[in-house]
This record gives sequence, structure tokens and C-alpha cells, in this order.
Amino acid sequence: DAKTTQPTSMDCAEGRAANLPCNHSTISGNEYVYWYRQIHSQGPQYIIHGLKNNETNEMASLIITEDRKSSTLILPHATLRDTAVYYCIVRVVWGSNYKLTFGKGTLLTVNP
Amino acid sequence: EPEVTQTPSHQVTQMGQEVILRCVPISNHLYFYWYRQILGQKVEFLVSFYNNEISEKSEIFDDQFSVERPDGSNFTLKIRSTKLEDSAMYFCASISDPREPGNTIYFGEGSWLTVV
Repeated sequence: DAKTTQPTSMDCAEGRAANLPCNHSTISGNEYVYWYRQIHSQGPQYIIHGLKNNETNEMASLIITEDRKSSTLILPHATLRDTAVYYCIVRVVWGSNYKLTFGKGTLLTVNP
Repeated sequence: EPEVTQTPSHQVTQMGQEVILRCVPISNHLYFYWYRQILGQKVEFLVSFYNNEISEKSEIFDDQFSVERPDGSNFTLKIRSTKLEDSAMYFCASISDPREPGNTIYFGEGSWLTVV
């Protein structure tokens, strides 16, 4: 799986949008971008994923650049409960590698 | 929302003892995983399991570890002769079909193992 690079930590004010960047410059054509988060040693929680189009669900939006070398996860109105480590993971869906490989992620701290 | 459930939530064991961590994956899921996270470190892949056999395992998953699906609902991780360095949070996960990009890997809340 392609390697990802994320900032170690970010801060965001409550109620504001949190924009978490991820660089995946070596991504290949059959790799998807997945975002998970982990709230204080709980199990990783799925947020969103995409291939090349922007995606939105009830939790977040995912913006993938046209060359697919980077993406941004957007939490539109961050709350204190969004404080967590956010993981950007790229994964081949077709083939034999069916696991997620976690990096260190970005610790997002939402401040009141 | 469907859930992966794990038991126990916390277990303390003596070094050298055997431990079994239990997981109930989501009912229609066919592919299962165990991950671990040592305190302050990354979430690490241990093993994946499909069709009653190991699909892939990491270097961490040596002869000390084994997995089993003893019945139609449980998925277990056995750790033999536990060592202090086995102290970690162990996460079970499952997915219905990993080949489908729209499918999601769901994680349980973890079993915290402390070896003393």
C-alpha cells in the first residue's frame, strides 16, 4: 500500500471546520483513500473513503486532488467529541491485500 | 449500526499464562482480523482470517499466537505463554467482502490485556 504523510497534530476551534490534510504522492490507480479515527484508545472508526471523486457523508467530506496525490478530510462543524487521532490510509481493494495499514495519524484537538 | 463485540474488555494475566480473547464479528461478515496497539504506539495488523483459515499474518503473529472460529459466531485469538511485551489493546475487526470498495472494515472496542 502507498505510504501516507499526515501532520502530527492540529487544533481546531469548536464549531469551525476542521481540515485534515494527507499526502499520498505514490498512490496507484487501484488504491482507495480511507479515513478512520480513533477516540482515546477506542476501536478505529470508519469515516469515509474515495477513489478519485469527492465524497460526502453524514460525518465528513473527502476532497481528493485531481492527480490523487493528496486529499483533505473536512469535518464541517467540529465538536469536542471529534477530538481524536485521524488516520489516512490508502488500500488496494482488488487483489490479495485486504488489510488496513495504520500510520501515526493526526491528533486533532478541538478546543472550546 | 452493526457492531463487532469483544470480550473481555480488560484482562490481567500472569506472565506465562495462556489468554483467549473473544470476538463476535458482524453477523453477515466473512473476513476477520486481529490488530493490536501497544500503549502510545500505532495500530498494528496481526492476522486476517477467511473461510476457516489464515489469509495473511504479520511478523508479530508467531507460534505464540493462534486464531480460531470455533462456531458460527465467535472468532478467537489465543496467546500462549504470555510475555510482558504482549500487554496491549487487541482489536478485532470484520468486513463482509474486502474486494468490494464500498464495504467497510468495522472494529470492535478492544480488549485491553495486561501481563504482570
